Amino acid sequence: EAQVTQNPRYLITVTGKKLTVTCSQNMNHEYMSWYRQDPGLGLRQIYYSMNVEVTDKGDVPEGYKVSRKEKRNFPLILESPSPNQTSLYFCASSLTSGRVHEQYFGPGTRLTVT
Amino acid sequence: AQSVTQLDSHVSVSEGTPVLLRCNYSSSYSPSLFWYVQHPNKGLQLLLKYTSAATLVKGINGFEAEFKKSETSFHLTKPSAHMSDAAEYFCVVTRMDSSYKLIFGSGTRLLVRP
Repeated sequence: EAQVTQNPRYLITVTGKKLTVTCSQNMNHEYMSWYRQDPGLGLRQIYYSMNVEVTDKGDVPEGYKVSRKEKRNFPLILESPSPNQTSLYFCASSLTSGRVHEQYFGPGTRLTVT
Repeated sequence: AQSVTQLDSHVSVSEGTPVLLRCNYSSSYSPSLFWYVQHPNKGLQLLLKYTSAATLVKGINGFEAEFKKSETSFHLTKPSAHMSDAAEYFCVVTRMDSSYKLIFGSGTRLLVRP
């Protein structure tokens, strides 16, 4: 089944404790992206990657890191999480060929930082 | 600046009656447009996309949307609501500077009464 998977689905952690949220897709998509969803603010893009070893900042990159060493994986790293990073996080992927690039989303990771 | 406005934050309908979720966008060019649905504790699922091939777009689960350039609207409709349609719906457009960068509407929560 074609899908985007994220792990973990739920995470509670403390301020300053480094964490990684994994994202993997099995559709051979070149493009991958991370979003956060907050009440009243909708979805905002954190980082994206056009292909292996090619990453760039989205609209809200502060406090986050990413890497793209393999085409299928795009982990999100919080080196020193803070309470304002408590949010629902989504990974997404899409092809880069063609004119319209619909994105396929993972199930989400709910992160709480205390 | 580009924007997407979902005119209703909540819509309540009875099962079996029509659904109308309204979306207007502002753009100086012709963007790609999407509707996504988010069920509770789930990721975003693509309902349909506008690719400029036809102004009336059919999606999954009986939903369709009509692109009206003169009104800059992309309203989502369904002839007969089902209880399983209860979810949050997002209207999404691509940004002018990149077809991979998305602007999300604030969402419309659809309630379906038995």
